[in-house]
Amino acid sequence: AQRVTQPEKLLSVFKGAPVELKCNYSYSGSPELFWYVQYSRQRLQLLLRHISRESIKGFTADLNKGETSFHLKKPFAQEEDSAMYYCALSGWSNQGGKLIFGQGTELSVKP
Amino acid sequence: DAGVIQSPRHEVTEMGQEVTLRCKPISGHNSLFWYRQTMMRGLELLIYFNNNVPIDDSGMPEDRFSAKMPNASFSTLKIQPSEPRDSAVYFCASSLSSGTSYGEQYFGPGTRLTVT
Repeated sequence: AQRVTQPEKLLSVFKGAPVELKCNYSYSGSPELFWYVQYSRQRLQLLLRHISRESIKGFTADLNKGETSFHLKKPFAQEEDSAMYYCALSGWSNQGGKLIFGQGTELSVKP
Repeated sequence: DAGVIQSPRHEVTEMGQEVTLRCKPISGHNSLFWYRQTMMRGLELLIYFNNNVPIDDSGMPEDRFSAKMPNASFSTLKIQPSEPRDSAVYFCASSLSSGTSYGEQYFGPGTRLTVT
């Protein structure tokens, strides 16, 4: 089955600690992976996409095709990183397009 | 560009009434998505369109829900009749899709629906 799994519903860390938000996917083709972020009562916005391979706000994510993972990492969490994070997959096959979002992980960074 | 525009921003209605949510995607985008967000269920993809054609509506919860995209610059999500459990924030998003990816989605501000 095609799916995106974010195993942690809530992740709580202290300011300055490393953070890793997990994302695993199941997809038969070659998908494109994204991380979206939603700050409190705001619209979702793109944080990262794997094809750009850039670091945004100190966050990085590497696509591991062997482990079918796209974990989001930041070495030193800040309080302003507290938000909801969604991992998403966009894929295409001869049966058409597919778009799948994970259930989201709420990150809480405590002072 | 003003981004994705949704209206109304807030809607309060009584159970049984018809509700229509509206979305104007970013000009030039060819894919449009409707999502529902609740505390209990998180973010759910309801339906998406590519070039005004519905591609996947498997996320639409019931026949009470319907969505249309009559042209490239407008879409509606209708709930008829509405029920209290439909209370949620409904997001619209658009993107520029290629033949191999839906690309980056740009989200609207959402419509907060309350059904009493």
